[in-house]
Amino acid sequence: AQSVTQLDSQVPVFEEAPVELRCNYSSSVSVYLFWYVQYPNQGLQLLLKYLSGSTLVKGINGFEAEFNKSQTSFHLRKPSVHISDTAEYFCAVVRAGKSTFGDGTTLTVKP
Amino acid sequence: GAVVSQHPSWVICKSGTSVKIECRSLDFQATTMFWYRQFPKQSLMLMATSNEGSKATYEQGVEKDKFLINHASLTLSTLTVTSAHPEDSSFYICSASSGTGGYEQYFGPGTRLTVT
Repeated sequence: AQSVTQLDSQVPVFEEAPVELRCNYSSSVSVYLFWYVQYPNQGLQLLLKYLSGSTLVKGINGFEAEFNKSQTSFHLRKPSVHISDTAEYFCAVVRAGKSTFGDGTTLTVKP
Repeated sequence: GAVVSQHPSWVICKSGTSVKIECRSLDFQATTMFWYRQFPKQSLMLMATSNEGSKATYEQGVEKDKFLINHASLTLSTLTVTSAHPEDSSFYICSASSGTGGYEQYFGPGTRLTVT
């Protein structure tokens, strides 16, 4: 079975500052890794995904993530955040078509 | 592309009644659909997985007689909450996968169910 740990439940940051949202996973086999963003009362929107190949993955809205197999991590980063990035962020692993989500990280961008 | 819709977006019902939520893939064929439940400030919990034309596979602890799932076509899955109670109040989200593209799931906007 796989599991996902998002190390920070809340991350407050000032506008235009860099941010990193941390995600660690455990799995005995290879998995696919995803980051999603959820705005209030909405579904999930895919930010980026790692399937194979380059360990640095670029996504939408200026986000990127790096897959680190040795550390079983898939941290999400953005060099300069905007107020509009305030949302809930979920890391997920997919194996055999089934997704397991982390508990989420609330990113709050302050002016 | 890859749009998933849910209907209704919110519903209020009385305790003891049944509620049906629809999940549609608008521009692709969804071989697999997933139903999740999300409590406030919490993560998504997978309730069941359904493949078109087959019976849904429920996760442990999910009552299949209470949460009826039907995946009658490649573009439509329904979740019926039978004899709803206040504790069933939650945000229900569906997702759909075409089975290609690295197991990516496309999520619907969610349905807020409130049982009074």
